Amino acid sequence: AQSVTQLGSHVSVSEGALVLLRCNYSSSVPPYLFWYVQYPNQGLQLLLKYTSAATLVKGINGFEAEFKKSETSFHLTKPSAHMSDAAEYFCAVILYSSASKIIFGSGTRLSIRP
Amino acid sequence: KAGVTQTPRYLIKTRGQQVTLSCSPISGHRSVSWYQQTPGQGLQFLFEYFSETQRNKGNFPGRFSGRQFSNSRSEMNVSTLELGDSALYLCASSLGAEYTDTQYFGPGTRLTVL
Repeated sequence: AQSVTQLGSHVSVSEGALVLLRCNYSSSVPPYLFWYVQYPNQGLQLLLKYTSAATLVKGINGFEAEFKKSETSFHLTKPSAHMSDAAEYFCAVILYSSASKIIFGSGTRLSIRP
Repeated sequence: KAGVTQTPRYLIKTRGQQVTLSCSPISGHRSVSWYQQTPGQGLQFLFEYFSETQRNKGNFPGRFSGRQFSNSRSEMNVSTLELGDSALYLCASSLGAEYTDTQYFGPGTRLTVL
């Protein structure tokens, strides 16, 4: 079975600091992995996706994520946080063996301190 | 190109009533999926439609149903509403039915059941 775990339901960083949001997956086959962002009262927006090409994936708004098979991780990073990055972030994995195309993690709320 | 649109954005109903939510996918997209998002359960898959056929269904009671029209627009219906049905309902569209097709989300319909 495949699943995804996000460590930390709430992360707070100072403006200009490094953002690191953690995601670990469990999968018996090479996964497809995604990061989505959700701003208040809005739907989900795709930040980036990993589909077995380059292990370092660059997304929108300066975010990137690195697929590490040995650690079964797909952590999301941004070198310098901006106030506009405050939102909820969801890691997701493709689930071939289930009805749902995609399984989401529980989400991490990112707060930015001035 | 216009994004996924959902109507209405907000809805208040009382227990026992029924409700219909609408989703218009991105032009050219043929697959529509529905998700329920609640603070307690997170994002849960409801069902997926492709070319007017339900391809997959999540673990929800029969009160939840949906359909897709020939223009790919989709509706979901919830009958005999319960307090626990209060949630943000998200619709996502993708170009085709492949697992790796990126899903694009609408802003959601926030349903409140009193």
